[in-house]
Amino acid sequence: AQSVTQLGSHVSVSEGALVLLRCNYSSSVPPYLFWYVQYPNQGLQLLLKYTSAATLVKGINGFEAEFKKSETSFHLTKPSAHMSDAAEYFCAVSDQAGFQKLVFGTGTRLLVSP
Amino acid sequence: EPEVTQTPSHQVTQMGQEVILRCVPISNHLYFYWYRQILGQKVEFLVSFYNNEISEKSEIFDDQFSVERPDGSNFTLKIRSTKLEDSAMYFCASSERGATDTQYFGPGTRLTVL
Repeated sequence: AQSVTQLGSHVSVSEGALVLLRCNYSSSVPPYLFWYVQYPNQGLQLLLKYTSAATLVKGINGFEAEFKKSETSFHLTKPSAHMSDAAEYFCAVSDQAGFQKLVFGTGTRLLVSP
Repeated sequence: EPEVTQTPSHQVTQMGQEVILRCVPISNHLYFYWYRQILGQKVEFLVSFYNNEISEKSEIFDDQFSVERPDGSNFTLKIRSTKLEDSAMYFCASSERGATDTQYFGPGTRLTVL
């Protein structure tokens, strides 16, 4: 069965600092990996996805993530945090075998201070 | 930009009552999904739907739940006899193709069962 683990339910950074949100996955087949963001009182918005092409994936709002098979990781980074990045971030996995469901992690709340 | 819409945004019901949550997926999408998020917990897959039938469902999706695409635009989730533990945020999502295609999420319906 597939699963994702997000380390840290809360991450606090200062504006302008590096953002690093961690995600490790478990999958018996090659995974597809996703990062979604949820702003308060809104739905889930796709930030980026890995679909077995380039291992470094660039997404919206300056975020990127690197797929590392040896570490089973797909960490999300952004060089310089903005106040507007404060939100809940979810890592999710699906597999390439045709199953359609996304399996989500528990989420990480990013707090950005001035 | 096309988006998934959901109504109502908040539904309050008494235990044992039936509720219908409504979603309008993006118009050219063929795959539809329901997820739920109990307060403070992870987003969980409920069901996927394609070609007018359920293609996958989770163990949460028992006989109390049903889905329907009654016309060319709506996708509904029905809970026949609500329980207190059904209180959650319910998200509808749609994708153009299945499997690993990007799923676009609606803003959610918050269901409160009293």
